[in-house]
Amino acid sequence: AQSVTQLDSQVPVFEEAPVELRCNYSSSVSVYLFWYVQYPNQGLQLLLKYLSGSTLVKGINGFEAEFNKSQTSFHLRKPSVHISDTAEYFCAVSRSTGNQFYFGTGTSLTVIP
Amino acid sequence: DVKVTQSSRYLVKRTGEKVFLECVQDMDHENMFWYRQDPGLGLRLIYFSYDVKMKEKGDIPEGYSVSREKKERFSLILESASTNQTSMYLCASTIYRATNTGELFFGEGSRLTVL
Repeated sequence: AQSVTQLDSQVPVFEEAPVELRCNYSSSVSVYLFWYVQYPNQGLQLLLKYLSGSTLVKGINGFEAEFNKSQTSFHLRKPSVHISDTAEYFCAVSRSTGNQFYFGTGTSLTVIP
Repeated sequence: DVKVTQSSRYLVKRTGEKVFLECVQDMDHENMFWYRQDPGLGLRLIYFSYDVKMKEKGDIPEGYSVSREKKERFSLILESASTNQTSMYLCASTIYRATNTGELFFGEGSRLTVL
C-alpha cells in the first residue's frame, strides 16, 4: 500500500524568503510523484511531476522539487516566494501501474508581507 | 485545455435529502474520480470509474453511490444526506495509460452543506 506524509500542516514564510514543503512517501513499487496547488475556493492544479530521469523537476511559478529515492522524499522548493503563492499544497503519488492516486494531507503555505 | 466542470459550486441540503453532484469532462478521459476534501484529512477517494458503467470503491464509499452512463459524465449520489457528509467534493479525470503517467485534472469543487 502507498502512503504519503506531508510533515508540515502549516508553513508561514515572509515574502521573498525561500520555502521548502516536505513530502515523504512509502511504497514497495515504483511510483510517480506529483505536487498540486489549490488556491482558495478552487480545485487542484498540477505544479510539477516526476516520472523518471533527472531527479530535479521544475514546475510552474518558479517551483521545483527533488526526488530522493533513498530517502523516499519529494520535497518542494521555491527560492523566493510571493504573496500570490499563498495556497494549499498537496503531494501525491501514483503507482507505475494501475489508476489510483494517493494524496498527502496538505500543507497550507501563508506568505507574509 | 482540459476542462472538468462540476455543476454546482455550492449546495445546501437538509438531512435525508437525496443529493446529486454532477461532473463532466471534455477530453475523452477514461478515468474519473470523486474525492472528498476535509481540513487536516487531505483528499480521500470515494469512488472511481475507468470506463462507462464501470466503478470501483475507493477508501470511503459508505453513504455514496456513483453513476457513469456516458464517458464524459460521472455523478456522485448521496442517497440520504447526513450532516457528516458536509464537505468539499472534488471531481477529477485522467486519461488511462497502462503506466499511469497521466496527471489528474480537477474540477473547481462542490461545497456541500447538510443541515
